[in-house]
Amino acid sequence: EVQLVESGGGLVQPGGSLRLSCAASGFTFSTYAMSWVRQAPKKGLEWVSSFSGASDRTYYTDSVKGRFTISRDNSKSTLYLQMNSLGAEDSAIYFCARVLSGRYFDSWGQGTLVTVSS
Amino acid sequence: EIVLTQSPATLSLSPGERATLSCRASQGVSSSLAWYQQKPGQAPRLLIYDVSNRATGIPTRFSGSGSGTDFTLTISSLEPEDFAVYYCQQHSNGLTFGGGTKVEIK
Repeated sequence: EVQLVESGGGLVQPGGSLRLSCAASGFTFSTYAMSWVRQAPKKGLEWVSSFSGASDRTYYTDSVKGRFTISRDNSKSTLYLQMNSLGAEDSAIYFCARVLSGRYFDSWGQGTLVTVSS
Repeated sequence: EIVLTQSPATLSLSPGERATLSCRASQGVSSSLAWYQQKPGQAPRLLIYDVSNRATGIPTRFSGSGSGTDFTLTISSLEPEDFAVYYCQQHSNGLTFGGGTKVEIK
């Protein structure tokens, strides 16, 4: 059974940093692209970033470029998201998701809540 | 960036009724379109990918159709567990989600 478990969320002041983690199990992590998708309170879904499975290519939505860094440790089956210079607009539940066929998200974690507030 | 517009925003139906949800793209997305279901307090669940392929374990009452810029998710006969929010998503040019359609009990 595929399992994705996020951690690392919390309350952070504007301008601060957080590092999210996503521990994966139940599949061969290294062979899959992985992504972060966020959802602001009472809002829709927004793709944030992806890390390819076959190469070291990374992708970001424009609003987080230069502030967020996605990485992965295949030896630990873990995906990370380093978030710097956080603003109120980054407050959301952050979901880790496995990528299907390079385009869709076929398994999701339960999410971790990030709140940016003073 | 391709904008996906979902309609209606809310659909009020009774169990057993047919639900038809629309997703319109600001430009063509080829066949790179998916649908997700999200219930309160839960992560989204992939229902349909590549316009019309059901994901693993998804009941046959869920079906997807469409092409170009206009796509439809149909739930043939609503079960109590189908009342939720539904999102479409494209990955033809960038990666974007629609704003969602809430299917609520009438």
